[in-house]
Amino acid sequence: ETGVTQTPRHLVMGMTNKKSLKCEQHLGHNAMYWYKQSAKKPLELMFVYNFKEQTENNSVPSRFSPECPNSSHLFLHLHTLQPEDSALYLCASSQDYSPEETQYFGPGTRLLVL
Amino acid sequence: AQSVTQLDSQVPVFEEAPVELRCNYSSSVSVYLFWYVQYPNQGLQLLLKYLSGSTLVKGINGFEAEFNKSQTSFHLRKPSVHISDTAEYFCAVTLNTGGFKTIFGAGTRLFVKA
Repeated sequence: ETGVTQTPRHLVMGMTNKKSLKCEQHLGHNAMYWYKQSAKKPLELMFVYNFKEQTENNSVPSRFSPECPNSSHLFLHLHTLQPEDSALYLCASSQDYSPEETQYFGPGTRLLVL
Repeated sequence: AQSVTQLDSQVPVFEEAPVELRCNYSSSVSVYLFWYVQYPNQGLQLLLKYLSGSTLVKGINGFEAEFNKSQTSFHLRKPSVHISDTAEYFCAVTLNTGGFKTIFGAGTRLFVKA
């Protein structure tokens, strides 16, 4: 495996379900990111982890709970979501948490909340 | 307030024709500028970035962009497009505020016709 991988690629869940999205990067990077991509809206940064520590939380509702057990893995735990949370969730990583760094994106998990 | 505006939501163009995708930004602090491409069912991939120095930046797949500070623009160009360039293109601006914040434009869908 190379680059940034995400599983599952597609997920359908009810509003009362609990599920988790997984991201893994094989690039030796130190920073990892979760983004939400909704139809017709710009990409929204949700969380940033640098060396496993959360450095950014952009006012994300508590029904989204991130976890970063090590620099290679990032999870997004989902519970009691709303239909408006349906979107493509993208994970990215960069060598360091620095403004000039290129972010490398995974293919995303397309989430549908019913 | 900082913002990124991609002036065209869709750009249809014939194969081998030139194309320009427009991006304007608003910021009161120094910025770094990026263009990403997203092919169907994939994550974002960096095309090019401007950090400093020459205002004309060359990227992958024959794309280039020019940073114009006075017009706060970073338009993407390619002299001759291919069918395979059909994708969504995102302009992004990272604001160097001590910490940093990346803002993405809403995207421009480039559709190359035979």
